[in-house]
Amino acid sequence: DIVMTQSPDALAVSLGERATINCKSSQSVLYGSNNKNYLAWYQQKPGQPPKLLIYWASTREAGVPGRFSGSGSGTDFTLTISSLQAEDVAVYYCHQYYGTPWTFGQGTKVEVK
Amino acid sequence: QITLKESGPTLVRPTQTLTLTCTFSGFSLSTSGVGVGWIRQPPGKALEWLALIYWDDDKRYSPSLENRLTITKDTSKNQVVLTMTNMNPVDTATYYCAHRGPGTHPDYWGQGTLVTVSS
Repeated sequence: DIVMTQSPDALAVSLGERATINCKSSQSVLYGSNNKNYLAWYQQKPGQPPKLLIYWASTREAGVPGRFSGSGSGTDFTLTISSLQAEDVAVYYCHQYYGTPWTFGQGTKVEVK
Repeated sequence: QITLKESGPTLVRPTQTLTLTCTFSGFSLSTSGVGVGWIRQPPGKALEWLALIYWDDDKRYSPSLENRLTITKDTSKNQVVLTMTNMNPVDTATYYCAHRGPGTHPDYWGQGTLVTVSS
């Protein structure tokens, strides 16, 4: 199984400041034949299902605000919220879909400082 | 517009079998590359993938739960059914089904259904 490890577990950021979440996979999720990283990021608010933010490690889903961006390749990935808004308070998960079993990170809780 | 909705019992007794149904619209599970997966989330905990069924009836299971899970599809009814045997209180969780596009990630999720295992 590919183990996904996020850091930190929790993060408190002032409104308007940058939030950075890291995700490390135990093996590469870069598929050589198409040069794509099979890595997605989700946002989950209480009582709601996960919402897709980013896929292929850096492609923003339609309708997701531009302050959300993804980067990285191979085994190391980052989700950045460039200017934290109050509505961004949530738990964020990384997810690899390189193969089954699908695996998720343990989640990072983002709060306002 | 793709939508998915989970249905099933909210309370299950220990040792019983859980049967959950995912009813979807906006896509066909006979389209090449498409899949539907099940993911669960215990209260306050992380997401855990359970099973995935593809358009060609290929099925994949979580290795840790494989002997307890069965996933099936009814393309004519636009439904995917997950059964989990020998339920235990640690299986208490919100169970989600999700659409997987061809060769890609889960993008559309149902709202989830909370299943409590208790005597």
